[in-house]
Amino acid sequence: AQSVTQLGSHVSVSEGALVLLRCNYSSSVPPYLFWYVQYPNQGLQLLLKYTTGATLVKGINGFEAEFKKSETSFHLTKPSAHMSDAAEYFCAVSPNNAGNMLTFGGGTRLMVKP
Amino acid sequence: DAGVTQSPTHLIKTRGQQVTLRCSPKSGHDTVSWYQQALGQGPQFIFQYYEEEERQRGNFPDRFSGHQFPNYSSELNVNALLLGDSALYLCASSLGDSVYGYTFGSGTRLTVV
Repeated sequence: AQSVTQLGSHVSVSEGALVLLRCNYSSSVPPYLFWYVQYPNQGLQLLLKYTTGATLVKGINGFEAEFKKSETSFHLTKPSAHMSDAAEYFCAVSPNNAGNMLTFGGGTRLMVKP
Repeated sequence: DAGVTQSPTHLIKTRGQQVTLRCSPKSGHDTVSWYQQALGQGPQFIFQYYEEEERQRGNFPDRFSGHQFPNYSSELNVNALLLGDSALYLCASSLGDSVYGYTFGSGTRLTVV
């Protein structure tokens, strides 16, 4: 069984500041890990994913995440926030041996102040 | 190239009624998965259809059922609607049964009154 915990349901940063969204997971098998973004009244858009290999994963819009097995974490970062980054962000996990469903965290709403 | 298309975008139903939501997968995809996203929460897996059969199901009651057609499109049916069924219903398509290549639709917003 898998589960995902996103620390902080709301995060507020100033434009140009570092964005850090936290995600911790539990999985009985080596996981696939994902970050999705959801803009108001829209579906989910994939930002990045980790399956195997390099633990630092780069995604779209300047986002990246690092898989840390020892900490069971997959935190999402962006060096400089932009107003257009304001959205809901979801971390998700899937077992890599039968990955036909995603288990999502509760989401983090990112607010960007001018 | 069309992505995942869901219809309708919004609908309002009364408690006890039945509803059918529809999903057309992205071109080239053959698998459809359905998720329920309650307000302020992350999506929850309902079930997945592949080769016109339900392959895996999440923790949802039998009131939730589905179907996949030979053209890979899919329907989600919910019977005896409850107020708690109010949510955004998301469809995701992929090639094969892996989440690796999921593409999500924009969802159907269901309100039960």
